Amino acid sequence: AQSVTQPDIHITVSEGASLELRCNYSYGATPYLFWYVQSPGQGLQLLLKYFSGDTLVQGIKGFEAEFKRSQSSFNLRKPSVHWSDAAEYFCAVGAVGGNEKLTFGTGTRLTIIP
Amino acid sequence: GAVVSQHPSRVICKSGTSVKIECRSLDFQATTMFWYRQFPKQSLMLMATSNEGSKATYEQGVEKDKFLINHASLTLSTLTVTSAHPEDSSFYICSASNNEQFFGPGTRLTVL
Repeated sequence: AQSVTQPDIHITVSEGASLELRCNYSYGATPYLFWYVQSPGQGLQLLLKYFSGDTLVQGIKGFEAEFKRSQSSFNLRKPSVHWSDAAEYFCAVGAVGGNEKLTFGTGTRLTIIP
Repeated sequence: GAVVSQHPSRVICKSGTSVKIECRSLDFQATTMFWYRQFPKQSLMLMATSNEGSKATYEQGVEKDKFLINHASLTLSTLTVTSAHPEDSSFYICSASNNEQFFGPGTRLTVL
């Protein structure tokens, strides 16, 4: 069965500092990996996704993620966070095609301090 | 990107009543729609997968007679919570897929 682990429940970062959110997955085949962001009371917005090819994926809002098969990881990074990045971040794994279910991690809440 | 809407965005109902939540893909046709449930400060849990014109596939532990899903067209799926109870209070999020999932803004259900 597929699963996603986000080890960090809550992370606090100073504005302008770098950020890395961890994600580890378990999947029986080649994984298709996603990062979503959710603001309070809102739906999910896709930040980036990895299907194949270059293992370093660029997303929106200055985010990037790197797929490391040997470590079963897909960590999200941003070189300099902004106060508006404060939100909940979810890593997910699923199958290509979009018509297969996604399995989400438990999320990491990001707090930005001045 | 593709837009998915949900209606209502927020609903409060009395225990024992039924509530219908609509999920619409506004600018594309969705062959598959998904319904998720999210408890406060927790992740999204898939409830069911809905394909247009066929019965929904429910995840283990989800009562299909309590959470009725109808996917009558390629742009609309509905989730009806029947005989709602306080423990059904949650944030319900749908997604619509045309080879990629696009998420709706969610519906906050509060059952008194």
